[in-house]
Amino acid sequence: AQSVAQPEDQVNVAEGNPLTVKCTYSVSGNPYLFWYVQYPNRGLQFLLKYITGDNLVKGSYGFEAEFNKSQTSFHLKKPSALVSDSALYFCAVRDMEGSYIPTFGRGTSLIVHP
Amino acid sequence: GAVVSQHPSRVICKSGTSVKIECRSLDFQATTMFWYRQFPKQSLMLMATSNEGSKATYEQGVEKDKFLINHASLTLSTLTVTSAHPEDSSFYICSARMIQGITEAFFGQGTRLTVV
Repeated sequence: AQSVAQPEDQVNVAEGNPLTVKCTYSVSGNPYLFWYVQYPNRGLQFLLKYITGDNLVKGSYGFEAEFNKSQTSFHLKKPSALVSDSALYFCAVRDMEGSYIPTFGRGTSLIVHP
Repeated sequence: GAVVSQHPSRVICKSGTSVKIECRSLDFQATTMFWYRQFPKQSLMLMATSNEGSKATYEQGVEKDKFLINHASLTLSTLTVTSAHPEDSSFYICSARMIQGITEAFFGQGTRLTVV
């Protein structure tokens, strides 16, 4: 079985400040991990993924995420938030040895204040 | 990156009618396509998974006779909402996964269905 938890429904941050959106996961084997962003009335856009290798993954729009195996986490980060980063963020996991169907977290709404 | 096109982006229909939503992978062949439903301020609910040339696999609680899925080619899947009712109003999103190599799925723009 695989699962994802995004413990925060909403994250508020001031423009220019660093942001973190949290994600923890559970899989039987090794994980594939993903972050997606969704703007209002749009589909999901792929941001970044962790497959193997370096624990720090860099993605689109200046976002990065750090894979931490001991804490089973894959938090999304950005050093300096922009108002245009305000959106809904989804973390997803797939078990490498299991189902090819990803499991999504419930989403975290990021609000960046000017 | 890979592009998935979903059409229409918005549709309004009368109760009792059927609506077809198309999902196309424009620049890659999709082994598998997924159909999701999203309620306001909620996560994605997987409705079904379709593989080219075979019957779709529906998640528990999803009526296969109401939500007809056809995956006739490696680049096209369709979702038909039959005899639509107001409670079917929702945001429907498709995603597609490449045949090999890349592990992530790519998403369409979504379709806002309103049944009046």
